[in-house]
Amino acid sequence: DAGVTQSPTHLIKTRGQHVTLRCSPISGHKSVSWYQQVLGQGPQFIFQYYEKEERGRGNFPDRFSARQFPNYSSELNVNALLLGDSALYLCASRRDPAGNQPQHFGDGTRLSIL
Amino acid sequence: KNQVEQSPQSLIILEGKNCTLQCNYTVSPFSNLRWYKQDTGRGPVSLTIMTFSENTKSNGRYTATLDADTKQSSLHITASQLSDSASYICVVSARSNYQLIWGAGTKLIIKP
Repeated sequence: DAGVTQSPTHLIKTRGQHVTLRCSPISGHKSVSWYQQVLGQGPQFIFQYYEKEERGRGNFPDRFSARQFPNYSSELNVNALLLGDSALYLCASRRDPAGNQPQHFGDGTRLSIL
Repeated sequence: KNQVEQSPQSLIILEGKNCTLQCNYTVSPFSNLRWYKQDTGRGPVSLTIMTFSENTKSNGRYTATLDADTKQSSLHITASQLSDSASYICVVSARSNYQLIWGAGTKLIIKP
């Protein structure tokens, strides 16, 4: 079975632009979460989606939005990019939104803002 | 405030040696505690998950302990290998909303 896949792997944008990052969860996983990881820090929670509905939101501005599609894949959108948005964006999937199951992570999208 | 703190921030040891990484948390009510390994440029990979009733769990050369009374956990790595070089992140889940609170990680470097 394929793991969590994210695209693109790397992306360079300039300030003010917008970006769309994509994530395909493991087959059978209905919950997808997005994280931002700045170099040298742990991941910061952005969103969780389950069955196409938002189930959780971290402390990020409204420039960040996401959605989940009927096939459980997900997109993270960031508008009006700032230099501080440069980070590794991780997607994680699991079967259900809660409980003691591990999250399975993709290898992330490395976003650089110039 | 729910927080997870890890120590040391970084650690360098020789191949074959053992080491122990620490995690202290203030998350309440507690649901579970996880240790992840993150190689440079890759996503985190789950090593162990422990609930309130578990005080030790092993995964190969990795052994995690949990003291829910003192809110401390440790990850012990036995007979380290070069491939153990990575960041190790402690994550605690709150039972109230299952939010995951992430530590900043310990960067471990194994030298030959």
